[in-house]
Amino acid sequence: QQQVKQSPQSLIVQKGGISIINCAYENTAFDYFPWYQQFPGKGPALLIAIRPDVSEKKEGRFTISFNKSAKQFSLHIMDSQPGDSATYFCAASMDGGSTLGRLYFGRGTQLTVWP
Amino acid sequence: NAGVTQTPKFQVLKTGQSMTLQCAQDMNHNSMYWYRQDPGMGLRLIYYSASEGTTDKGEVPNGYNVSRLNKREFSLRLESAAPSQTSVYFCASSEGGASDTQYFGPGTRLTVL
Repeated sequence: QQQVKQSPQSLIVQKGGISIINCAYENTAFDYFPWYQQFPGKGPALLIAIRPDVSEKKEGRFTISFNKSAKQFSLHIMDSQPGDSATYFCAASMDGGSTLGRLYFGRGTQLTVWP
Repeated sequence: NAGVTQTPKFQVLKTGQSMTLQCAQDMNHNSMYWYRQDPGMGLRLIYYSASEGTTDKGEVPNGYNVSRLNKREFSLRLESAAPSQTSVYFCASSEGGASDTQYFGPGTRLTVL
């Protein structure tokens, strides 16, 4: 059973536009929500992360919006650039227990930004 | 620091052959992970090791075995490779806490004929 559901599977955005990727989860024990970015031929790398005690976190052009009641979170990329073309994964983890440190990943969104 | 290193980068096997994927990290991390990545399926956890001397099954452990050789090294073994194991394999490591960053290696692209 997919613990974190991600959409869309692929996204095409024009340069300068806003890219939005959405994720949803069911397990209310999750308390840390990172996004990873992966370029072709490379391993994923942490992009930005949020805890559920805040509704939004911004780092440069990247913003996570978090809706605890809806159990949803999303990544917004403002002023999208061709260099942002990559696969983006949302993930979730929970504190404590035997699964400490384990990340549950969404299936990924392949973003293409056209110049 | 090299971070997380994986060998080999590419491998082609015939069905039934065995091989071991090697992973090492130089960040003194407690936890290490093996994932496989398939188109449209995202990153699926095969096995992980929360600390030296412990290993646990992830989402898709069947057909694989692991060894946490020491704190630095975590290997993944395919005893009898099958075409369904054709994939890109990533090793990762972290301090081990819930909000600790996982650092990924460059991956091993494995093809089983």
